[in-house]
Amino acid sequence: KAGVTQTPRYLIKTRGQQVTLSCSPISGHRSVSWYQQTPGQGLQFLFEYFSETQRNKGNFPGRFSGRQFSNSRSEMNVSTLELGDSALYLCASSPTGTNYNEQFFGPGTRLTVL
Amino acid sequence: AQRVTQPEKLLSVFKGAPVELKCNYSYSGSPELFWYVQYSRQRLQLLLRHISRESIKGFTADLNKGETSFHLKKPFAQEEDSAMYYCALSGDSSASKIIFGSGTRLSIRP
Repeated sequence: KAGVTQTPRYLIKTRGQQVTLSCSPISGHRSVSWYQQTPGQGLQFLFEYFSETQRNKGNFPGRFSGRQFSNSRSEMNVSTLELGDSALYLCASSPTGTNYNEQFFGPGTRLTVL
Repeated sequence: AQRVTQPEKLLSVFKGAPVELKCNYSYSGSPELFWYVQYSRQRLQLLLRHISRESIKGFTADLNKGETSFHLKKPFAQEEDSAMYYCALSGDSSASKIIFGSGTRLSIRP
């Protein structure tokens, strides 16, 4: 099976802009989770989507949003970018969700906000 | 509230020495604990999980509910063990979040 893919791999944006990141899960996986990884904060959970519904949400401001399509592909959107949003954004998929299940991670999208 | 604490940001040991990466958690229900590893230039991947009770690449981890700990251990470190290690916790319902610790960078000296 092909692994989790994320596009684009690298992005450079300026403050105030918005950005959309895409994640294609492993075929058959219905749960997609998003994480922000930074050197200072480590890996922080953004949200999880399952069957096109947001099932869980982390402690991030409303500027961070997402959605999931009927084919389980997911997008994450960040509006009004701030310098502090510079990070590696990871998505992970699993068959049914985060409890008891192994998360399969993508390579990440490196976002730089100038 | 769910919380995972990895007290060491960096752990450096000599090849052949024992390794213990500490993980403490806070959770009111029945947690499922995981260790994930990220080798240089590779994706984050599952190393082992409590429910499997396996030894992977010589690593083991025992869930101690009394001390709320899930420390990762290996008796003899190898250079290829150098990586970033994350402890993670998930709850017991399908709607549970997964929470990661801040990670410990393990460096094995030759």
